[in-house]
Amino acid sequence: NAGVTQTPKFQVLKTGQSMTLQCAQDMNHEYMSWYRQDPGMGLRLIHYSVGAGITDQGEVPNGYNVSRSTTEDFPLRLLSAAPSQTSVYFCASSSANQPQHFGDGTRLSIL
Amino acid sequence: EDKVVQSPLSLVVHEGDTVTLNCSYEVTNFRSLLWYKQEKKAPTFLFMLTSSGIEKKSGRLSSILDKKELFSILNITATQTGDSAVYLCAEPNSGGSNYKLTFGKGTLLTVNP
Repeated sequence: NAGVTQTPKFQVLKTGQSMTLQCAQDMNHEYMSWYRQDPGMGLRLIHYSVGAGITDQGEVPNGYNVSRSTTEDFPLRLLSAAPSQTSVYFCASSSANQPQHFGDGTRLSIL
Repeated sequence: EDKVVQSPLSLVVHEGDTVTLNCSYEVTNFRSLLWYKQEKKAPTFLFMLTSSGIEKKSGRLSSILDKKELFSILNITATQTGDSAVYLCAEPNSGGSNYKLTFGKGTLLTVNP
């Protein structure tokens, strides 16, 4: 049982580069979310999706784009990486009124 | 804006001790409060609380919600080194569903042998 799979696990980027963090779930969950976790800050919601074709912004959406073309996949795009986006990124999925299941995270460093 | 505050931010105990972790919240349209345990990687789900005064229990861990005083506690009895982790409290933002969580900063628990 894979659950929520995030790739890559680690990535180093230079300022200004773009990249996509991948997230896939095999539980047929309709809801998916992206969070970032910084030291001393807890997890903060970036974007979320309530179903294929539907996305919305969370607490800290600036500098990130998402899309949801299928139920399984919810990629997060960094348009022009900045050092402030150095963080650990978690993807999560859930069904209605159930707790979210989290992936193992992507540790991203922007130089 | 919804707010979740956890205390203490860190705690060091010895194996066998009992610990109580606190989570207070200020939310509109309360629906649920969730507890997660985070070791090195993904947060893993512990409890979801929706009703006041009803204790949820799983082995040595238990949790209860007080909707009148707007707080929840997580108890761990007979702690073990494997309980060392960050414990996170979260609630659905603005009464939404569990895909829009507002997290507290977490309590770092260290259990020494």
